[in-house]
Amino acid sequence: DAKTTQPPSMDCAEGRAANLPCNHSTISGNEYVYWYRQIHSQGPQYIIHGLKNNETNEMASLIITEDRKSSTLILPHATLRDTAVYYCIVMNYGGATNKLIFGTGTLLAVQP
Amino acid sequence: NAGVMQNPRHLVRRRGQEARLRCSPMKGHSHVYWYRQLPEEGLKFMVYLQKENIIDESGMPKERFSAEFPKEGPSILRIQQVVRGDSAAYFCASSPASGRGGLPWFFGPGTRLTVL
Repeated sequence: DAKTTQPPSMDCAEGRAANLPCNHSTISGNEYVYWYRQIHSQGPQYIIHGLKNNETNEMASLIITEDRKSSTLILPHATLRDTAVYYCIVMNYGGATNKLIFGTGTLLAVQP
Repeated sequence: NAGVMQNPRHLVRRRGQEARLRCSPMKGHSHVYWYRQLPEEGLKFMVYLQKENIIDESGMPKERFSAEFPKEGPSILRIQQVVRGDSAAYFCASSPASGRGGLPWFFGPGTRLTVL
Protein backbone atom coordinates (compact mmCIF):
# COMPACT_ATOMS: atom_id res chain seq x y z
CA ASP A 1 0.00 0.00 0.00
CA ALA A 2 1.18 3.49 -0.81
CA LYS A 3 2.71 5.67 1.88
CA THR A 4 1.13 8.97 2.89
CA THR A 5 2.65 12.21 4.18
CA GLN A 6 0.74 14.62 6.42
CA PRO A 7 1.79 17.69 8.40
CA PRO A 8 2.19 16.81 12.09
CA SER A 9 -0.09 19.56 13.34
CA MET A 10 -2.45 22.34 12.26
CA ASP A 11 -4.54 25.00 13.94
CA CYS A 12 -7.94 26.20 12.87
CA ALA A 13 -10.28 28.85 14.26
CA GLU A 14 -13.67 27.66 15.41
CA GLY A 15 -16.29 28.17 12.71
CA ARG A 16 -13.75 28.34 9.91
CA ALA A 17 -13.03 25.64 7.36
CA ALA A 18 -10.24 23.21 8.22
CA ASN A 19 -8.27 21.99 5.22
CA LEU A 20 -6.07 19.00 5.94
CA PRO A 21 -3.61 18.00 3.19
CA CYS A 22 -2.24 14.57 2.41
CA ASN A 23 0.38 13.51 -0.11
CA HIS A 24 0.25 10.01 -1.59
CA SER A 25 2.47 10.32 -4.64
CA THR A 26 2.96 6.55 -5.10
CA ILE A 27 -0.74 5.68 -5.05
CA SER A 28 -1.76 3.07 -7.60
CA GLY A 29 -4.90 2.94 -9.68
CA ASN A 30 -6.83 0.54 -7.44
CA GLU A 31 -6.03 2.19 -4.12
CA TYR A 32 -8.63 4.19 -2.26
CA VAL A 33 -7.95 7.17 -0.02
CA TYR A 34 -9.51 6.87 3.45
CA TRP A 35 -9.73 9.46 6.20
CA TYR A 36 -10.20 8.59 9.85
CA ARG A 37 -9.84 10.59 13.01
CA GLN A 38 -9.18 9.75 16.63
CA ILE A 39 -10.55 12.06 19.26
CA HIS A 40 -8.45 11.85 22.42
CA SER A 41 -8.16 8.12 23.08
CA GLN A 42 -11.45 7.01 21.55
CA GLY A 43 -11.74 4.46 18.75
CA PRO A 44 -10.85 5.74 15.27
CA GLN A 45 -13.85 7.27 13.54
CA TYR A 46 -14.42 6.84 9.82
CA ILE A 47 -14.87 10.17 8.03
CA ILE A 48 -14.86 9.69 4.28
CA HIS A 49 -13.14 7.86 1.45
CA GLY A 50 -12.75 8.14 -2.32
CA LEU A 51 -11.07 6.71 -5.38
CA LYS A 52 -10.93 9.40 -8.06
CA ASN A 53 -13.85 11.76 -7.72
CA ASN A 54 -14.41 14.33 -5.03
CA GLU A 55 -16.70 13.11 -2.29
CA THR A 56 -18.93 14.84 0.24
CA ASN A 57 -20.92 13.55 3.20
CA GLU A 58 -22.44 15.03 6.32
CA MET A 59 -19.06 15.25 8.03
CA ALA A 60 -16.62 16.44 5.40
CA SER A 61 -15.54 16.81 1.80
CA LEU A 62 -12.67 15.00 0.15
CA ILE A 63 -10.89 16.64 -2.76
CA ILE A 64 -8.58 14.36 -4.76
CA THR A 65 -6.28 15.90 -7.36
CA GLU A 66 -6.63 14.77 -10.94
CA ASP A 67 -3.32 12.86 -10.82
CA ARG A 68 -4.44 11.33 -7.47
CA LYS A 69 -1.09 12.12 -5.88
CA SER A 70 -2.59 14.24 -3.15
CA SER A 71 -5.88 14.96 -1.44
CA THR A 72 -7.43 17.43 0.99
CA LEU A 73 -9.97 16.75 3.69
CA ILE A 74 -12.23 19.73 4.31
CA LEU A 75 -14.24 20.24 7.50
CA PRO A 76 -16.46 23.12 6.41
CA HIS A 77 -17.19 24.65 9.82
CA ALA A 78 -14.78 23.35 12.43
CA THR A 79 -15.95 23.11 16.04
CA LEU A 80 -14.00 22.45 19.23
CA ARG A 81 -15.20 18.85 19.08
CA ASP A 82 -13.30 18.39 15.81
CA THR A 83 -10.00 18.61 17.69
CA ALA A 84 -8.42 15.23 16.96
CA VAL A 85 -5.67 13.39 15.13
CA TYR A 86 -6.63 12.94 11.48
CA TYR A 87 -5.26 10.03 9.50
CA CYS A 88 -5.02 9.78 5.72
CA ILE A 89 -4.60 6.17 4.59
CA VAL A 90 -4.44 4.57 1.17
CA MET A 91 -5.40 0.95 0.72
CA ASN A 92 -6.02 -1.47 -2.10
CA TYR A 93 -9.34 -2.83 -0.98
CA GLY A 94 -9.34 -5.84 -3.23
CA GLY A 95 -6.24 -7.51 -1.79
CA ALA A 96 -6.45 -10.67 0.26
CA THR A 97 -4.60 -9.27 3.25
CA ASN A 98 -5.73 -5.67 3.30
CA LYS A 99 -5.21 -3.73 6.45
CA LEU A 100 -5.38 -0.07 7.37
CA ILE A 101 -1.88 1.14 8.23
CA PHE A 102 -1.99 4.21 10.45
CA GLY A 103 0.80 6.76 10.25
CA THR A 104 1.32 9.61 12.66
CA GLY A 105 -1.49 11.73 11.23
CA THR A 106 -2.20 15.44 11.68
CA LEU A 107 -3.17 16.81 15.07
CA LEU A 108 -5.84 19.41 14.33
CA ALA A 109 -6.36 21.87 17.15
CA VAL A 110 -9.52 23.94 16.79
CA GLN A 111 -9.13 27.20 18.67
CA PRO A 112 -12.04 29.14 20.21
CA ASN B 1 -27.89 -0.90 13.49
CA ALA B 2 -25.45 -1.34 16.34
CA GLY B 3 -21.83 -0.47 15.75
CA VAL B 4 -18.76 -2.51 16.63
CA MET B 5 -18.96 -3.53 20.27
CA GLN B 6 -16.05 -4.29 22.55
CA ASN B 7 -16.03 -5.51 26.11
CA PRO B 8 -14.95 -4.99 28.67
CA ARG B 9 -14.19 -1.32 28.17
CA HIS B 10 -11.66 -1.36 30.99
CA LEU B 11 -9.76 -4.37 32.25
CA VAL B 12 -7.29 -4.54 35.11
CA ARG B 13 -5.04 -7.56 35.50
CA ARG B 14 -2.08 -8.41 37.67
CA ARG B 15 1.15 -9.62 36.11
CA GLY B 16 0.90 -13.27 35.14
CA GLN B 17 -2.88 -13.33 34.75
CA GLU B 18 -4.78 -13.83 31.51
CA ALA B 19 -6.70 -11.14 29.66
CA ARG B 20 -9.59 -11.85 27.29
CA LEU B 21 -10.88 -9.06 25.10
CA ARG B 22 -14.06 -9.48 23.08
CA CYS B 23 -15.18 -7.84 19.87
CA SER B 24 -18.59 -8.16 18.21
CA PRO B 25 -18.51 -6.87 14.63
CA MET B 26 -21.23 -4.83 13.01
CA LYS B 27 -24.16 -6.80 11.68
CA GLY B 28 -23.32 -8.26 8.30
CA HIS B 29 -19.56 -7.86 8.75
CA SER B 30 -17.51 -11.03 8.61
CA HIS B 31 -13.99 -9.55 8.81
CA VAL B 32 -12.42 -8.46 12.08
CA TYR B 33 -9.14 -6.65 12.71
CA TRP B 34 -7.37 -6.02 16.01
CA TYR B 35 -5.12 -3.03 16.70
CA ARG B 36 -3.07 -2.02 19.70
CA GLN B 37 -2.25 1.49 20.83
CA LEU B 38 0.44 1.82 23.46
CA PRO B 39 0.41 4.98 25.60
CA GLU B 40 1.39 8.03 23.56
CA GLU B 41 1.95 5.91 20.45
CA GLY B 42 0.14 5.19 17.21
CA LEU B 43 -2.25 2.43 16.21
CA LYS B 44 -0.51 -0.79 15.26
CA PHE B 45 -2.13 -3.61 13.33
CA MET B 46 -2.10 -6.96 15.10
CA VAL B 47 -4.28 -9.53 13.33
CA TYR B 48 -6.95 -9.95 10.67
CA LEU B 49 -9.54 -12.69 10.99
CA GLN B 50 -12.50 -14.01 9.12
CA LYS B 51 -14.94 -16.49 10.57
CA GLU B 52 -12.90 -19.48 11.81
CA ASN B 53 -9.78 -18.32 9.93
CA ILE B 54 -6.75 -16.20 10.70
CA ILE B 55 -5.89 -14.35 7.51
CA ASP B 56 -2.96 -12.18 8.61
CA GLU B 57 -1.26 -12.29 12.00
CA SER B 58 1.88 -10.44 10.98
CA GLY B 59 1.47 -7.88 13.76
CA MET B 60 0.91 -10.31 16.61
CA PRO B 61 3.66 -10.80 19.18
CA LYS B 62 5.07 -14.30 18.79
CA GLU B 63 4.33 -15.41 22.32
CA ARG B 64 1.42 -15.10 24.75
CA PHE B 65 -0.99 -13.51 22.24
CA SER B 66 -3.67 -15.37 20.30
CA ALA B 67 -6.87 -14.48 18.50
CA GLU B 68 -9.91 -16.31 17.25
CA PHE B 69 -13.17 -15.55 15.51
CA PRO B 70 -15.44 -18.58 15.91
CA LYS B 71 -18.40 -19.45 13.75
CA GLU B 72 -20.70 -18.23 16.50
CA GLY B 73 -19.99 -15.46 18.93
CA PRO B 74 -17.52 -12.60 19.18
CA SER B 75 -13.88 -12.45 18.21
CA ILE B 76 -11.55 -12.97 21.16
CA LEU B 77 -8.07 -11.55 21.67
CA ARG B 78 -6.35 -13.51 24.40
CA ILE B 79 -3.21 -12.44 26.22
CA GLN B 80 -1.64 -15.00 28.52
CA GLN B 81 0.66 -14.20 31.43
CA VAL B 82 0.27 -10.46 31.00
CA VAL B 83 3.18 -8.12 31.68
CA ARG B 84 3.19 -4.38 32.35
CA GLY B 85 4.21 -3.71 28.74
CA ASP B 86 0.86 -5.12 27.59
CA SER B 87 -0.92 -2.13 29.11
CA ALA B 88 -2.53 -0.42 26.15
CA ALA B 89 -5.77 0.31 24.37
CA TYR B 90 -6.91 -2.51 22.12
CA PHE B 91 -9.26 -1.65 19.28
CA CYS B 92 -11.09 -3.89 16.90
CA ALA B 93 -12.57 -2.99 13.55
CA SER B 94 -14.93 -4.80 11.23
CA SER B 95 -15.65 -4.67 7.53
CA PRO B 96 -17.99 -6.40 5.08
CA ALA B 97 -16.82 -9.33 3.03
CA SER B 98 -13.95 -8.53 0.70
CA GLY B 99 -14.47 -8.17 -2.99
CA ARG B 100 -16.72 -5.15 -2.64
CA GLY B 101 -14.41 -2.27 -3.39
CA GLY B 102 -13.92 0.70 -1.20
CA LEU B 103 -16.20 0.01 1.75
CA PRO B 104 -15.07 1.57 5.01
CA TRP B 105 -14.09 -0.19 8.19
CA PHE B 106 -15.66 0.75 11.50
CA PHE B 107 -13.88 0.67 14.82
CA GLY B 108 -15.11 -0.16 18.28
CA PRO B 109 -14.58 2.01 21.39
CA GLY B 110 -11.65 -0.08 22.56
CA THR B 111 -10.64 -2.00 25.66
CA ARG B 112 -8.18 -0.32 27.95
CA LEU B 113 -5.99 -2.93 29.58
CA THR B 114 -4.03 -2.01 32.67
CA VAL B 115 -1.52 -4.48 34.07
CA LEU B 116 -0.53 -3.90 37.68
